[in-house]
Amino acid sequence: AAGVIQSPRHLIKEKRETATLKCYPIPRHDTVYWYQQGPGQDPQFLISFYEKMQSDKGSIPDRFSAQQFSDYHSELNMSSLELGDSALYFCASSLDRGVNTEAFFGQGTRLTVV
Amino acid sequence: SQQGEEDPQALSIQEGENATMNCSYKTSINNLQWYRQNSGRGLVHLILIRSNEREKHSGRLRVTLDTSKKSSSLLITASRAADTASYFCATFQGAQKLVFGQGTRLTINP
Repeated sequence: AAGVIQSPRHLIKEKRETATLKCYPIPRHDTVYWYQQGPGQDPQFLISFYEKMQSDKGSIPDRFSAQQFSDYHSELNMSSLELGDSALYFCASSLDRGVNTEAFFGQGTRLTVV
Repeated sequence: SQQGEEDPQALSIQEGENATMNCSYKTSINNLQWYRQNSGRGLVHLILIRSNEREKHSGRLRVTLDTSKKSSSLLITASRAADTASYFCATFQGAQKLVFGQGTRLTINP
């Protein structure tokens, strides 16, 4: 079965650079979530989209933005990168249809800022 | 944590023993979910329990939910080395805002 695909799997950037993370949800899923997970930390909710519209926002820095495109893939754009942005970034998708259900996670993008 | 506390934060047991992890949350919920995460990997959904359910089973997993205490527990019976992972509970705190607890790091010793 198709899973959530994230790219790239690993990314190394320098401080103040920009990074773009991509997420391809499971086909026909209507909800996409983004999370940031630092070493030894729980996943922190960043932002979600429902039917391509932004739904909820969490602790997402102003330097970050995200969008979901007509083909339902989503991108997380991170500008003016800081050392503290080094983390695992996960995307998840679900078939919500207005009833909260289980989310399926991708393998994540490991971002290292040097 | 965005949601609440999980307890214990770390648990180490012998293979074959049962492991129990607890989760508390802060707001009213429609459902509560448990996920497993192997080191550095994505989270895998284990089980979802709805607010009108008190107990749910899936294989060696047993989840309970006490909405009056805003708490849930995950029991893994007859543990195996492959169960070594971090376990998180998660609840919705918005239309599509799924937030996770701090997690329990479970180690199964052979």
